[in-house]
Amino acid sequence: TQLLEQSPQFLSIQEGENLTVYCNSSSVFSSLQWYRQEPGEGPVLLVTVVTGGEVKKLKRLTFQFGDARKDSSLHITAAQPGDTGLYLCAGTYNTNAGKSTFGDGTTLTVKP
Amino acid sequence: DTAVSQTPKYLVTQMGNDKSIKCEQNLGHDTMYWYKQDSKKFLKIMFSYNNKELIINETVPNRFSPKSPDKAHLNLHINSLELGDSAVYFCASSQGSSGRAPRFGPGTRLTVL
Repeated sequence: TQLLEQSPQFLSIQEGENLTVYCNSSSVFSSLQWYRQEPGEGPVLLVTVVTGGEVKKLKRLTFQFGDARKDSSLHITAAQPGDTGLYLCAGTYNTNAGKSTFGDGTTLTVKP
Repeated sequence: DTAVSQTPKYLVTQMGNDKSIKCEQNLGHDTMYWYKQDSKKFLKIMFSYNNKELIINETVPNRFSPKSPDKAHLNLHINSLELGDSAVYFCASSQGSSGRAPRFGPGTRLTVL
């Protein structure tokens, strides 16, 4: 079973600080997704990265896919309380019936 | 509103009972999934259906039986519920089964007493 490891597992910061969450694997993925999940809700897709080295920005969030397509990072600038949630990365293989393998998650708390 | 919907939102039941969770998507997707999220928030795929055909069946006990009457619906029936079945179950859907990120429903929190 391929595993995706996220770090850190828990992160508690003050509003306005920057942070980076990492997602690492020994496997090569066709694409990688980042989701945010709030309590009592399902994961919501933030971004999909496909090309090695790709960088995507979503307002204050910057996503990067590693050159070898085995790892990814999520950087948040000037975090806000609304960013609080569980961040999940997921790797997908085109040849595996679309099965996504999820990371173990990073719980982010942004204090006002 | 286009979405993936599940019922019920909460399900509390006794060990040994049989229960079902229903899922519907109105996104026009042809692939649907069931995922299980445990108490540590780890999300793992259980089943995947593409055009009503089972394409992924992970190592899940036979007590779990998915049924897809049409492309827009994927229900999950669980027989002889056990304490370890307590978790949040998410239905999801995507267009195509090759590498498309699934869109998730709101989840069903199952508690087995």
